[in-house]
Amino acid sequence: AQSVAQPEDQVNVAEGNPLTVKCTYSVSGNPYLFWYVQYPNRGLQFLLKYITGDNLVKGSYGFEAEFNKSQTSFHLKKPSALVSDSALYFCAVRDPSGYSTLTFGKGTMLLVSP
Amino acid sequence: ETGVTQTPRHLVMGMTNKKSLKCEQHLGHNAMYWYKQSAKKPLELMFVYSLEERVENNSVPSRFSPECPNSSHLFLHLHTLQPEDSALYLCASSPISGGLNTGELFFGEGSRLTVL
Repeated sequence: AQSVAQPEDQVNVAEGNPLTVKCTYSVSGNPYLFWYVQYPNRGLQFLLKYITGDNLVKGSYGFEAEFNKSQTSFHLKKPSALVSDSALYFCAVRDPSGYSTLTFGKGTMLLVSP
Repeated sequence: ETGVTQTPRHLVMGMTNKKSLKCEQHLGHNAMYWYKQSAKKPLELMFVYSLEERVENNSVPSRFSPECPNSSHLFLHLHTLQPEDSALYLCASSPISGGLNTGELFFGEGSRLTVL
């Protein structure tokens, strides 16, 4: 079975500071990993994904994520946070071997203060 | 325009009503999904359709009835709901996983359901 853990319900950061939103996963094979963002009263929007190759993945809006196989982590990062980054962030995993759908974490609320 | 359109965006219904949520995707995908999002709870996968056949049904109560008439349209028929069914219902689509398709999901904006 595949699973995702987002240990923080909320992350607070000041505008201009770097941000990290944590994600760890459990999957039997090599994972496909995703980050999505949800703004209030909106659907989920795709940010980035790791499939294979370079462990540092760059995505939309200046976000990036680092895949760490030994720590089974896929933390989301941004060098300089914006107030407009405030939203709910979801990590998701899929085992590409065989049929499976994405499994999502419970989400982490990011609040960026001016 | 996200490529996945959900209607209505907001719905208020009584417990004895019958209503339907509609989802339409314009991305040429072959798989469609219904998710339930409740406050402070993880996303719950409800149903998955692949090539118009239901391939997953995660122990969803029978008061929720999905319908997928073709690969572009997905419905969720609602009847005799309970107040705890109030939530944001999200539709998503994807290419069928395999080969170059990674299973990435494309979401609609959601339908906010309130059951009185």
